[in-house]
Amino acid sequence: DQQVKQNSPSLSVQEGRISILNCDYTNSMFDYFLWYKKYPAEGPTFLISISSIKDKNEDGRFTVFLNKSAKHLSLHIVPSQPGDSAVYFCAGNQGAQKLVFGQGTRLTINP
Amino acid sequence: KAGVTQTPRYLIKTRGQQVTLSCSPISGHRSVSWYQQTPGQGLQFLFEYFSETQRNKGNFPGRFSGRQFSNSRSEMNVSTLELGDSALYLCASSWGEAYNEQFFGPGTRLTVL
Repeated sequence: DQQVKQNSPSLSVQEGRISILNCDYTNSMFDYFLWYKKYPAEGPTFLISISSIKDKNEDGRFTVFLNKSAKHLSLHIVPSQPGDSAVYFCAGNQGAQKLVFGQGTRLTINP
Repeated sequence: KAGVTQTPRYLIKTRGQQVTLSCSPISGHRSVSWYQQTPGQGLQFLFEYFSETQRNKGNFPGRFSGRQFSNSRSEMNVSTLELGDSALYLCASSWGEAYNEQFFGPGTRLTVL
């Protein structure tokens, strides 16, 4: 039972353009959603989160949108930079610090 | 401010052995969560400790156990190791009160031969 799904295993974007990473979920009990970025051989790095009662949260180049009726969230990175190349995970928080992760999307920013 | 530290970083064990992994959270954080990352299953929640008590548990067999000490440091133990236990084990810490962002350590890479 995959409660959080990232249907695109990989995404390639030109430097300077917008990167849009998508995530779908099935569990209505998630109270927060988070995005993490991961480089090989390192732990995930927290990027941005959004409460389930909000529909948008912005932090610098990163914006997360939440559509509760569609059970869908997306992460927008504008403008994309080479250092953004990494694997991105979305996760739902299921209370008491329990995160349920998607399978990840590998983002490659091309110069 | 020091981040989450995990020791050891790499470990090789054989089937049937047991292993103990250690995690030191960010100073002041009282919650420690453990996750297993494998290529096939992705990142999966093992358990979470807050103030020395296990608050939440994932769907792993009883061979996986953990504990937390009064200084918030945590250990996880895997007994009777199986080949499928080969994975990257990550711990994450947070303040723990209601919802807080979790900050991850670099992980311990366990290989079971």
